[in-house]
Amino acid sequence: GDSVTQMEGPVTLSEEAFLTINCTYTATGYPSLFWYVQYPGEGLQLLLKATKADDKGSNKGFEATYRKETTSFHLEKGSVQVSDSAVYFCALGTGNQFYFGTGTSLTVIP
Amino acid sequence: SAVISQKPSRDICQRGTSLTIQCQVDSQVTMMFWYRQQPGQSLTLIATANQGSEATYESGFVIDKFPISRPNLTFSTLTVSNMSPEDSSIYLCSVQEGTGPPQHFGDGTRLSIL
Repeated sequence: GDSVTQMEGPVTLSEEAFLTINCTYTATGYPSLFWYVQYPGEGLQLLLKATKADDKGSNKGFEATYRKETTSFHLEKGSVQVSDSAVYFCALGTGNQFYFGTGTSLTVIP
Repeated sequence: SAVISQKPSRDICQRGTSLTIQCQVDSQVTMMFWYRQQPGQSLTLIATANQGSEATYESGFVIDKFPISRPNLTFSTLTVSNMSPEDSSIYLCSVQEGTGPPQHFGDGTRLSIL
């Protein structure tokens, strides 16, 4: 069945470091891919999405490119800030079916 | 964008009891979703609730255990019935605006069963 596999955390980075959180997927069709973020004490928020191969989603300095050849959707940010500390979830959607990864906790230290 | 209020935010319950979780949205939405996040695991969809129709449950979830109400376009409840320690999880409400993925989530209800 469809699924996503997400890099395990926790991840701790210094401010201004480069961030990569890996996400790979398994799907029988042509899914859309998403990254959600959950800041401490808050609900999940949609961070970015890509609906077809080679699409790049971007928001708040974060980027992820839908790579069909490697079945990946890695999240990247060139320079993280303390305010980026949160849990990040990769997700796959086909129609109204959505599958979430287990989440990766990121802590950015000053 | 939609703002979701979910309550209670947390509760500790006795085995065998039931708890109803409420989800209020500040705008009218067609589809509302209920998810469960067990400790250390990803989110799992319990059911999809459309106003005016029976909720659609995912494999492994049944109405007798997780009855859902959707009386209008801004409100839904999920009841966790006859609770056991295995039901200890975070339960989240989510809404979809237009078509596409769930875009907005409530803060979740952290449920612990003794």
